[in-house]
Amino acid sequence: QQQVKQSPQSLIVQKGGISIINCAYENTAFDYFPWYQQFPGKGPALLIAIRPDVSEKKEGRFTISFNKSAKQFSLHIMDSQPGDSATYFCAASGANNLFFGTGTRLTVIP
Amino acid sequence: GAVVSQHPSRVICKSGTSVKIECRSLDFQATTMFWYRQFPKQSLMLMATSNEGSKATYEQGVEKDKFLINHASLTLSTLTVTSAHPEDSSFYICSATLGSGGPLEQYFGPGTRLTVT
Repeated sequence: QQQVKQSPQSLIVQKGGISIINCAYENTAFDYFPWYQQFPGKGPALLIAIRPDVSEKKEGRFTISFNKSAKQFSLHIMDSQPGDSATYFCAASGANNLFFGTGTRLTVIP
Repeated sequence: GAVVSQHPSRVICKSGTSVKIECRSLDFQATTMFWYRQFPKQSLMLMATSNEGSKATYEQGVEKDKFLINHASLTLSTLTVTSAHPEDSSFYICSATLGSGGPLEQYFGPGTRLTVT
């Protein structure tokens, strides 16, 4: 059973555009929601994370929006750049484990 | 800070042999380390959780006699794939947490590409 659902599976965005990736979860015990960026052949790197007591967190061009009542959260990448082309994973954490979404392959076209 | 290394980055071994992968937290002590497996274009699949000085906890469907995990110190965990077969070929990634309890902030290693011929 997929604990965290992620969409879209792939995304193509023009340089300078906004990339939006969405995730949804069911378990209300989750209390930590990170996003990871992964380049081919590399391990995931923590990009940004949010706790459920806030509705938005912004770090540079990356923003997480969190809707606790809807059990949804999303990643927005503003002014997307070709260097942002990678696979992005959302995740949700409870007491012990981290559950990953299925990943979104982002391609930013110059 | 929070750097995790893995060694080797790539390994090719023959079917039936064993291979060991090391995971180190370089600038912090990791109370808990995790081992993941990732197939091409797929998400990370948790294999096991290891705490320093205790036996690893394996996820359902992961053979603990095949994937031996040792977490001998707060900065080192090893994964040994025993009697490897071609279907074990995959990308193995470890992660480590800074603390215990509460939300987990996991930091990942760069991964190890295992190819079994």
